[in-house]
Amino acid sequence: EAGVAQSPRYKIIEKRQSVAFWCNPISGHATLYWYQQILGQGPKLLIQFQNNGVVDDSQLPKDRFSAERLKGVDSTLKIQPAKLEDSAVYLCASSLDGDRGRRNTEAFFGQGTRLTVV
Amino acid sequence: AQSVTQLGSHVSVSEGALVLLRCNYSSSVPPYLFWYVQYPNQGLQLLLKYTSAATLVKGINGFEAEFKKSETSFHLTKPSAHMSDAAEYFCAVSTPDTGRRALTFGSGTRLQVQP
Repeated sequence: EAGVAQSPRYKIIEKRQSVAFWCNPISGHATLYWYQQILGQGPKLLIQFQNNGVVDDSQLPKDRFSAERLKGVDSTLKIQPAKLEDSAVYLCASSLDGDRGRRNTEAFFGQGTRLTVV
Repeated sequence: AQSVTQLGSHVSVSEGALVLLRCNYSSSVPPYLFWYVQYPNQGLQLLLKYTSAATLVKGINGFEAEFKKSETSFHLTKPSAHMSDAAEYFCAVSTPDTGRRALTFGSGTRLQVQP
């Protein structure tokens, strides 16, 4: 079974520039998550999709971050304009659960995109 | 609200010694609890999970954890450390009964294994 794919693996940009990350979840997984992991900290949820609808984006800085999940499969996360404090690893994860009956399936993580803002 | 506290940002053990990584949680409803491992420049890999069944959970690579409701703890243990266990370990909680399946992570514990 193929895992969660993310690209690019590394990105360096100047502050105020824009950047986009791409995630392809495991086939058939209804739920997709984007997490931000700042160096030395645990991952923090940015946004959760179920199919192509947003379940939770309460911690997404909406003035600069946006995300979409077209057709309930791939997802992109965009930052515009980037700030120095956005330097982090952006992790995408997916899980099978798509209804109340499948609540305890694990989340599978991609390798992440390491963003450096200079 | 749910939260996780991992005691000790760094733990160092000798090869062959007991590994104990501490995790305490806070949740107003029955939690699901997880331990993930992260190797350098890699994503997170699930070690084990507690989902309201047996309180002693066995995972991969010889790790296990025990859910103790009275202590609100979910500590991770391994009887004998191996050099390959050196990594960052994250405890996480979710509360699916509230509809919140997303994981809330602790700040992590870096495990060093000395030869």
